[in-house]
Amino acid sequence: GAVVSQHPSWVICKSGTSVKIECRSLDFQATTMFWYRQFPKQSLMLMATSNEGSKATYEQGVEKDKFLINHASLTLSTLTVTSAHPEDSSFYICSARAGGGNTIYFGEGSWLTVV
Amino acid sequence: AQRVTQPEKLLSVFKGAPVELKCNYSYSGSPELFWYVQYSRQRLQLLLRHISRESIKGFTADLNKGETSFHLKKPFAQEEDSAMYYCALGAGNMLTFGGGTRLMVKP
Repeated sequence: GAVVSQHPSWVICKSGTSVKIECRSLDFQATTMFWYRQFPKQSLMLMATSNEGSKATYEQGVEKDKFLINHASLTLSTLTVTSAHPEDSSFYICSARAGGGNTIYFGEGSWLTVV
Repeated sequence: AQRVTQPEKLLSVFKGAPVELKCNYSYSGSPELFWYVQYSRQRLQLLLRHISRESIKGFTADLNKGETSFHLKKPFAQEEDSAMYYCALGAGNMLTFGGGTRLMVKP
């Protein structure tokens, strides 16, 4: 089946720094990618939806200047957490949908710890 | 706005017992419903979707539009079924998840 890969799998960064998480569709072209955040023992919270070549659509309450999303190509979307704070520590998951398809494939997730 | 509700956060059953994970949704249009599963330390993966009407790993789910439900069922639970299960509603460009139910199957 289709594969979505995230990198890095886990990252630790200092408060105030920025960290980038990549989401790649390995064997299909993803016209739409989604970014989620998952807190321990909680469900996924959709942060934003990105379409290739256009600006991401952010969910209510998600700071677009803090969580920068770029979907520059049909196989890559990036999430940059700017000026990270400890409360940004979480499990970030991306998913991707192939053009014209309904099935959404998930990445393995990226653990971010801000110290 | 679409909404997905999984009323049980935790469901604990013994091996061999029947399992039903409840999912209710609210959506004004024609929804597409999914069940996703997340085993310990693994990524979220699609278990089944209502339009395919398949049985995956012994699980089935029937969309009941009258009751706006999409409950996940398995007649005989196995220990390896222990995981987090998420019901999700797809509409347009969005996939909305329920809060998840942790299924624990005891030996």
